[in-house]
Amino acid sequence: RKEVEQDPGPFNVPEGATVAFNCTYSNSASQSFFWYRQDCRKEPKLLMSVYSSGNEDGRFTAQLNRASQYISLLIRDSKLSDSATYLCVVNGDNFNKFYFGSGTKLNVKP
Amino acid sequence: GAVVSQHPSRVICKSGTSVKIECRSLDFQATTMFWYRQFPKKSLMLMATSNEGSKATYEQGVEKDKFLINHASLTLSTLTVTSAHPEDSSFYICSATGTSGRVNEQYFGPGTRLTVT
Repeated sequence: RKEVEQDPGPFNVPEGATVAFNCTYSNSASQSFFWYRQDCRKEPKLLMSVYSSGNEDGRFTAQLNRASQYISLLIRDSKLSDSATYLCVVNGDNFNKFYFGSGTKLNVKP
Repeated sequence: GAVVSQHPSRVICKSGTSVKIECRSLDFQATTMFWYRQFPKKSLMLMATSNEGSKATYEQGVEKDKFLINHASLTLSTLTVTSAHPEDSSFYICSATGTSGRVNEQYFGPGTRLTVT
């Protein structure tokens, strides 16, 4: 079983739509969770960390469900510029080791 | 935010030669640096983790004699691909965690695209 699993997509949505991604992780001892976005042929960039209480940053909301071992990312009012691959990242037993999901591709269309 | 640079951004080399890639944390001290490789349309694969002043920890299946990692200071780690072959062609990305930002957040360099001919 993979450490982190994501639906690869692609998710094709119109501008203005709300879209949600889920990610499941296998290690119940994981403590740190992140969403990164990666544009084509570029490095990943931190979108947001995910906290136990859930957190929001503008149009983006991240949630953590420890009982079910999944994290989610909600994007409201999608923009064309949101088109990218979204990577779920979870740390392992060793807090300095991170596991990446395979990414979920989002295409926002006009 | 924390800035990580990589050099070179792109390199083409001949089969059998060695290539060195540098990863620098510009405005913070990187206690740990990670090296990843990414093939087209695939996710990042961790190659090794390095802590300043100690030997790197390689992931299973990654040859430590082929991918030499040196983390000599808190701001610099290098990856040397020795005796490169065409199958080593990939996008190599480093990241760093350290004293800047929130605990455990990784900051990525812009990547190095290696093509071995």
